Amino acid sequence: QKEVEQDPGPLSVPEGAIVSLNCTYSNSAFQYFMWYRQYSRKGPELLMYTYSSGNKEDGRFTAQVDKSSKYISLFIRDSQPSDSATYLCAMRRGAGKSTFGDGTTLTVKP
Amino acid sequence: GAVVSQHPSWVICKSGTSVKIECRSLDFQATTMFWYRQFPKQSLMLMATSNEGSKATYEQGVEKDKFLINHASLTLSTLTVTSAHPEDSSFYICSAAQPGGDNQPQHFGDGTRLSIL
Repeated sequence: QKEVEQDPGPLSVPEGAIVSLNCTYSNSAFQYFMWYRQYSRKGPELLMYTYSSGNKEDGRFTAQVDKSSKYISLFIRDSQPSDSATYLCAMRRGAGKSTFGDGTTLTVKP
Repeated sequence: GAVVSQHPSWVICKSGTSVKIECRSLDFQATTMFWYRQFPKQSLMLMATSNEGSKATYEQGVEKDKFLINHASLTLSTLTVTSAHPEDSSFYICSAAQPGGDNQPQHFGDGTRLSIL
């Protein structure tokens, strides 16, 4: 069983929809949680970075962490075609390497 | 924001050639950098952790003599793919964490697409 599970999709939504992306994990020691966006043939770009449980909002993006359920989410409001990309969740215990999900491919159709 | 630069972005070379990829942190010093490999439509596979001034830590199954890592300064790490063969063709990505303790995220370079003919 993988430490981090992420549904690969693909996920296709119409422009303006609310998108929900999720990851589950098994290691309760994870404390730092990240969401990255990766366009084709590019490196991942950090979108959201949260510590422990709770919500964090940045523009159209909201990250939620529920440590009791070992479940994290990324919500995208008013989705745009430019949001079409692969979204990777990542998490780690402290300093050092992160553990990544397999990524969810999102397509936002005009 | 933190910027990590990777060079070259794309390289094509003949089988048997050694290829060097550079990873630079442009606006911060990074004592630790990470090297990943990514196959099409797959997630990132950590190859090794590059530590400034000391030997890199390789993940299980990654050949140390095949993938040479040098982290000679706080802003530069290099990955050399020695005697590259077609099976080494892949997308290689580096990342670095900003200094400041455990609470800093990793920032990624834009990757190097390596094609071995």
